[in-house]
Amino acid sequence: RKEVEQDPGPFNVPEGATVAFNCTYSNSASQSFFWYRQDCRKEPKLLMSVYSSGNEDGRFTAQLNRASQYISLLIRDSKLSDSATYLCVVNRVDTGRRALTFGSGTRLQVQP
Amino acid sequence: DAGITQSPRHKVTETGTPVTLRCHQTENHRYMYWYRQDPGHGLRLIHYSYGVKDTDKGEVSDGYSVSRSKTEDFLLTLESATSSQTSVYFCAISEEARGYTFGSGTRLTVV
Repeated sequence: RKEVEQDPGPFNVPEGATVAFNCTYSNSASQSFFWYRQDCRKEPKLLMSVYSSGNEDGRFTAQLNRASQYISLLIRDSKLSDSATYLCVVNRVDTGRRALTFGSGTRLQVQP
Repeated sequence: DAGITQSPRHKVTETGTPVTLRCHQTENHRYMYWYRQDPGHGLRLIHYSYGVKDTDKGEVSDGYSVSRSKTEDFLLTLESATSSQTSVYFCAISEEARGYTFGSGTRLTVV
């Protein structure tokens, strides 16, 4: 079983739509959680950290459910520029909190 | 800019030849990482460093070695390149428990 699992998509949504991605992680000892965004043929970039209480950054809301070991990302009022692959990321427990493990990503395509 | 650069950006090499990729940072971050990214596998950790001369293996370390003789430089060496090592290689830097900043990547093709 992969440490971090995501639906690969693609999710095709119209501009202005609300879209949600989930991911699950296998190790209950994981402590750090992130969402990254990766554009085609570019490096991943940190979108936001995910905190236990949930957190929001503009149109983006991230939530963590430790009991069920899943993380979610909600994007409201989708823009064409949101089209990208979204990577769910948790710390590698075997390295303490030194290294991260990445999901394979969920692709989002926002259409006009 | 994040102050992390990778070189070369692109490289084509022949099977069996040694290859070294360089990652350079100007941020004085303690942690540096090498990942490879392949379709269907996502990003996989090759090696990482938690200080000068302090390195550890990741999940796909076979066929790779690393060195970190200075805080700012982390080198990845393919001792004898194979076609299975054709990939995009990303270097990243971080402070502990925080998110990474990635370099722009190196596209390596082994023919």
